[in-house]
Amino acid sequence: KQEVTQIPAALSVPEGENLVLNCSFTDSAIYNLQWFRQDPGKGLTSLLLIQSSQREQTSGRLNASLDKSSGRSTLYIAASQPGDSATYLCAGIYNQGGKLIFGQGTELSVKP
Amino acid sequence: GAVVSQHPSWVICKSGTSVKIECRSLDFQATTMFWYRQFPKQSLMLMATSNEGSKATYEQGVEKDKFLINHASLTLSTLTVTSAHPEDSSFYICSARRDFQETQYFGPGTRLLVL
Repeated sequence: KQEVTQIPAALSVPEGENLVLNCSFTDSAIYNLQWFRQDPGKGLTSLLLIQSSQREQTSGRLNASLDKSSGRSTLYIAASQPGDSATYLCAGIYNQGGKLIFGQGTELSVKP
Repeated sequence: GAVVSQHPSWVICKSGTSVKIECRSLDFQATTMFWYRQFPKQSLMLMATSNEGSKATYEQGVEKDKFLINHASLTLSTLTVTSAHPEDSSFYICSARRDFQETQYFGPGTRLLVL
C-alpha cells in the first residue's frame, strides 16, 4: 500500500531558526513529490514539486530534497519567520496523471 | 494564472437536505478535477476524480450515490452532497489540472456543517 507519513505532527520554533520538515513514503517508485502549504481554513498552495529524476528543488528560503532509495523527502526552511506558520503537507504521485497521496501534515508555528 | 475558486466558502444546512458545491477554474481549462475531503487535524483524502464529459471515478469507500459529481464543462465541476447528515460535516477542497500537466491547482475549500 502506498502511504505517505509526516513526522512530527506539530513543531514550534523561534523566529530566525532554520528547520527541516520530514516526509517518508513507502513505495520508492515515486513519480514526483510535492510540498504544499495550508493556512487555517484555507486551501493548498503548492510550494515545490520534485520530479523522480531530481534530487532537490529550491524556491527562495525553501529547499526540498528527494531520496527515493530511502523513501524520504525533506523541506528545509531557512531563517524562519512568523509568516511561515502554517501546516505543511507533502504528497506523492506514483504514475503520470495519477492521484496525489497526502501525508498527515506538520503544523508549524514560528514564534516572534 | 491558474486560479481555482469554490462556492460557497461556507454552508450550514439541516440534516436531510442536499448541498451543491461548485469548483471553477477561472483562467484555464481543466480537463481533470479532483474532490477531496479533510476532517479537522487530518490530511486530505481524495474522494473522486472527474474528467470533463465523462463519469467521475470514485475512491474506495466513497458512496457515488451520496456524493454526486458533475464535470459538465472544462471550467466547472460540481459536488452535490445528497441527504446530508452530521457526519458529512467536513472541509471539501477541489483541485484542477490542465491537460498534459501534473500540477494540481487547489481551490480555497468549502466548509460544510450539517446540523
